[in-house]
Amino acid sequence: DAGITQSPRHKVTETGTPVTLRCHQTENHRYMYWYRQDPGHGLRLIHYSYGVKDTDKGEVSDGYSVSRSKTEDFLLTLESATSSQTSVYFCAISGRGRDQPQHFGDGTRLSIL
Amino acid sequence: AQSVTQLDSQVPVFEEAPVELRCNYSSSVSVYLFWYVQYPNQGLQLLLKYLSGSTLVKGINGFEAEFNKSQTSFHLRKPSVHISDTAEYFCAVSDSATDKLIFGTGTRLQVFP
Repeated sequence: DAGITQSPRHKVTETGTPVTLRCHQTENHRYMYWYRQDPGHGLRLIHYSYGVKDTDKGEVSDGYSVSRSKTEDFLLTLESATSSQTSVYFCAISGRGRDQPQHFGDGTRLSIL
Repeated sequence: AQSVTQLDSQVPVFEEAPVELRCNYSSSVSVYLFWYVQYPNQGLQLLLKYLSGSTLVKGINGFEAEFNKSQTSFHLRKPSVHISDTAEYFCAVSDSATDKLIFGTGTRLQVFP
């Protein structure tokens, strides 16, 4: 695996609580991504980053925020979790360019009760 | 925006039989295509990619895919599957407008003994 670590790997929390997921890379890649995976939807992009403090929205960004203060860390925050945000979240990294494949972490399974 | 269609949500097959997983994408001037595999409780791993050149692309684990521009397809094939190939397979296209990966909804390959 590319050097990508997601934490926590599993989390159960209650509606309305804040949640932060962390993605840490050791590959020094410029681009980092957060996806959610849901049955019947494949992977959908939430937010991505193209450098330190440079982030942008993806397809399903409502209810999520991100921060990247260091090259190696990309944080995904759910300010007030809702049951619709129950999902498996994946972080990915890549080099610059459309031809660069993305490399994925092992995911975080988040359940919101 | 580009899109990817994986028509088969599940493909059951017996061990040592050939398999084809279908992927169609919306047309574009230039297209970069990827196949990823996801084993249970893991992230996605790159199987193969098409960037340019030969339309037949070989990947890991004996998989190959053929790029067909006229039919806008990028089907994945393996001449003889193993039990260990049981996994979910995702086709993805790099969107020429946004540089982002667009994923299909996935095909679950189930190999039976």
